[in-house]
Amino acid sequence: DAMVIQNPRYQVTQFGKPVTLSCSQTLNHNVMYWYQQKSSQAPKLLFHYYDKDFNNEADTPDNFQSRRPNTSFCFLDIRSPGLGDAAMYLCATSRERQGTDTQYFGPGTRLTVL
Amino acid sequence: GQNIDQPTEMTATEGAIVQINCTYQTSGFNGLFWYQQHAGEAPTFLSYNVLDGLEEKGRFSSFLSRSKGYSYLLLKELQMKDSASYLCAVVDSNYQLIWGAGTKLIIKP
Repeated sequence: DAMVIQNPRYQVTQFGKPVTLSCSQTLNHNVMYWYQQKSSQAPKLLFHYYDKDFNNEADTPDNFQSRRPNTSFCFLDIRSPGLGDAAMYLCATSRERQGTDTQYFGPGTRLTVL
Repeated sequence: GQNIDQPTEMTATEGAIVQINCTYQTSGFNGLFWYQQHAGEAPTFLSYNVLDGLEEKGRFSSFLSRSKGYSYLLLKELQMKDSASYLCAVVDSNYQLIWGAGTKLIIKP
């Protein structure tokens, strides 16, 4: 089945220790998104890739970076995690960049910062 | 600013009907999504409305009134597995997706 996969499902890191979250997709979609979602809050878009074109949201902290080495994979790097970065991180894909395209989500990675 | 309003939490009984409302004030409108999100899991697509009216899909229906900036999700014959958060998201004039915080639906036997 075509899908969006995220690894790991649960990640524990220490304050200030870099961490990388990964996402892969078999849908062959052009667009890949990274969202941060805290408990009982709306998902917050961090950035997205349209193919290799990277688009950062204006309020995404510099602490968050992303890489998309090929169509299938996308990584979220948190260079120096703070306690406020503890959240669920959701990867999503869509065929095209227009917001009217349905987004398909992976199961998420829950990040804990100690 | 852009704003999506949904009730924070609702409770309903198994077998009953529940209506989850969403009102929005956005810069333009190009459609509205409803997603279901079980606790600790990813959102999954339920419906997309861009024209006024009711769209039915099995036990779930979604209604849109663009003139009122209003949508609702109607769930019939509630089952325990319907306990989840329901997220409303609006596509604005720039084709950006604006998310609501979601409504947590609790189903009681």
